Amino acid sequence: GIQVEQSPPDLILQEGANSTLRCNFSDSVNNLQWFHQNPWGQLINLFYIPSGTKQNGRLSATTVATERYSLLYISSSQTTDSGVYFCAVALGDNFNKFYFGSGTKLNVKP
Amino acid sequence: GAVVSQHPSWVICKSGTSVKIECRSLDFQATTMFWYRQFPKQSLMLMATSNEGSKATYEQGVEKDKFLINHASLTLSTLTVTSAHPEDSSFYICSASPMEIAFFGQGTRLTVV
Repeated sequence: GIQVEQSPPDLILQEGANSTLRCNFSDSVNNLQWFHQNPWGQLINLFYIPSGTKQNGRLSATTVATERYSLLYISSSQTTDSGVYFCAVALGDNFNKFYFGSGTKLNVKP
Repeated sequence: GAVVSQHPSWVICKSGTSVKIECRSLDFQATTMFWYRQFPKQSLMLMATSNEGSKATYEQGVEKDKFLINHASLTLSTLTVTSAHPEDSSFYICSASPMEIAFFGQGTRLTVV
């Protein structure tokens, strides 16, 4: 099956710092999304980004499909950014059948 | 965005009993829904694909007879954990999608005692 690897596994930042989270995947995908899981377990969509670059406020993401990786950038981090960030990919006929990476746990300190 | 609602949010049950978890798409129809399981400090693992009007498709290693899935309407899928044991304690979460973006329910935290 497809392998989805995220790095780093843990990240501690001071408020205001910038960070880059990486997602590598082992096969061609037809869907890639980034999610933030809050402390209560809720998964929040950040980006639908099977290719290209998108920006939403302090967050941006880039996927280079030909090289099988995606990056999530967080700028001017805030304590509310803390939580676990997951990359998830789908492949083949089923566009929304996701396989998740191992996640990056982010802790932003005041 | 679209709304996927899951119920209950948490449940405690005795070992050997069965528990039913509901996943509803509130503002769109979903012929396909997905069920995931997440153990503490781990990632989400796909358990099965719930297909409206037909049998669910299970991932390798997931026991079909333990995790019964019923997708009886275009807005409701249910996951029943049968004869639950403490090792079934986990966070169960469903997803559905009106288009290419997936939306997840709030999750159900199951504790089997």
